[in-house]
Amino acid sequence: QQQVKQSPQSLIVQKGGISIINCAYENTAFDYFPWYQQFPGKGPALLIAIRPDVSEKKEGRFTISFNKSAKQFSLHIMDSQPGDSATYFCAARGSSASKIIFGSGTRLSIRP
Amino acid sequence: DTGVSQNPRHKITKRGQNVTFRCDPISEHNRLYWYRQTLGQGPEFLTYFQNEAQLEKSRLLSDRFSAERPKGSFSTLEIQRTEQGDSAMYLCASSLEGTYGYTFGSGTRLTVV
Repeated sequence: QQQVKQSPQSLIVQKGGISIINCAYENTAFDYFPWYQQFPGKGPALLIAIRPDVSEKKEGRFTISFNKSAKQFSLHIMDSQPGDSATYFCAARGSSASKIIFGSGTRLSIRP
Repeated sequence: DTGVSQNPRHKITKRGQNVTFRCDPISEHNRLYWYRQTLGQGPEFLTYFQNEAQLEKSRLLSDRFSAERPKGSFSTLEIQRTEQGDSAMYLCASSLEGTYGYTFGSGTRLTVV
């Protein structure tokens, strides 16, 4: 059962552009929504995370927008750079469970 | 402390053989998780430990899979009678109880031939 749906599957953005990746969730008990970045041959690394009591969180060029009523959240990467080329996973975790559930991933390529 | 360490990095085995992977978490982390990741997919939860207790197992974890964390430090994941469908990246992560984020290791890539 896929509880976190992610789109698009792949994304190509020009250098300097804005990359946007979207996720939707089903379980209203989720209370923590992280984004992970994964490079080939490496494990996922936490990029940024948000709790549902705020609508936006920004860290440098990375912003999470959160819409609790729509049960959707998105990652925006401003001024995208070639070094941002990686696979990005949205995820969610419920307060009563310890495990994090991942989306299926978005392969982002930034064209120079 | 250099993060979560997994060994070996790569393992090629013949179908039907048993394999064992090791994970050394960040020393102060009392929670340890195992995930499996196939090509083009997100990590899928397998099991997790709090200290030495195994608190949850996924239905993905068939009876051929077993995980242990005997002293609440390192953990091992064993797969018996491997099948080609077991080919995947096996990821270990750790966290401190009361915190939300995980730290992942670089994984063990298993290829069953």
